[in-house]
Amino acid sequence: GENVEQHPSTLSVQEGDSAVIKCTYSDSASNYFPWYKQELGKRPQLIIDIRSNVGEKKDQRIAVTLNKTAKHFSLHITETQPEDSAVYFCAAVHSGNTPLVFGKGTRLSVIA
Amino acid sequence: DVKVTQSSRYLVKRTGEKVFLECVQDMDHENMFWYRQDPGLGLRLIYFSYDVKMKEKGDIPEGYSVSREKKERFSLILESASTNQTSMYLCASSLAAVETQYFGPGTRLLVL
Repeated sequence: GENVEQHPSTLSVQEGDSAVIKCTYSDSASNYFPWYKQELGKRPQLIIDIRSNVGEKKDQRIAVTLNKTAKHFSLHITETQPEDSAVYFCAAVHSGNTPLVFGKGTRLSVIA
Repeated sequence: DVKVTQSSRYLVKRTGEKVFLECVQDMDHENMFWYRQDPGLGLRLIYFSYDVKMKEKGDIPEGYSVSREKKERFSLILESASTNQTSMYLCASSLAAVETQYFGPGTRLLVL
């Protein structure tokens, strides 16, 4: 089955700097890659996703890139702000009856 | 706006008690999921369901069972609660496997 590895487990950046979180997956059939953000005490919420037919997707300060050959995808946050501090989860799945497989999460701290 | 609700935010139970955690979604989603979240271990899938009366084991089903009698409701049952089941339990629903999962607010369960 699918296995998703996420790095780093913790990340501290200065406000205004960029943050990058990387994930690798094992199942070459996976075709949907969402990213979830979980603020302290809150539920995980989708912030961006990418499907296997595109290599990059942007939404304001966040972007996700996908390299299908290498089987890895990354989340990029530019101009980080204190409200970006949270735990971020990547996930992968292919269509069918298999559920999303999540990475173990990255705790991002943005230092003002 | 999708709404996923869970019956309790906090729950304290005794070892050996039978515990019911309920999850309700209002968006007519086919798929529903139960996760437990522990520090450093990410989101681990306990059970999922792609249809009424249907259930599939996730990665850590031992000690748990589920029930899905109606499309909108997915219940997690701890047959005989143990201290190692102290955790945060998150329910989620989605329209399809390759679509956004919407999470409930979570139930923090303490088993004494």
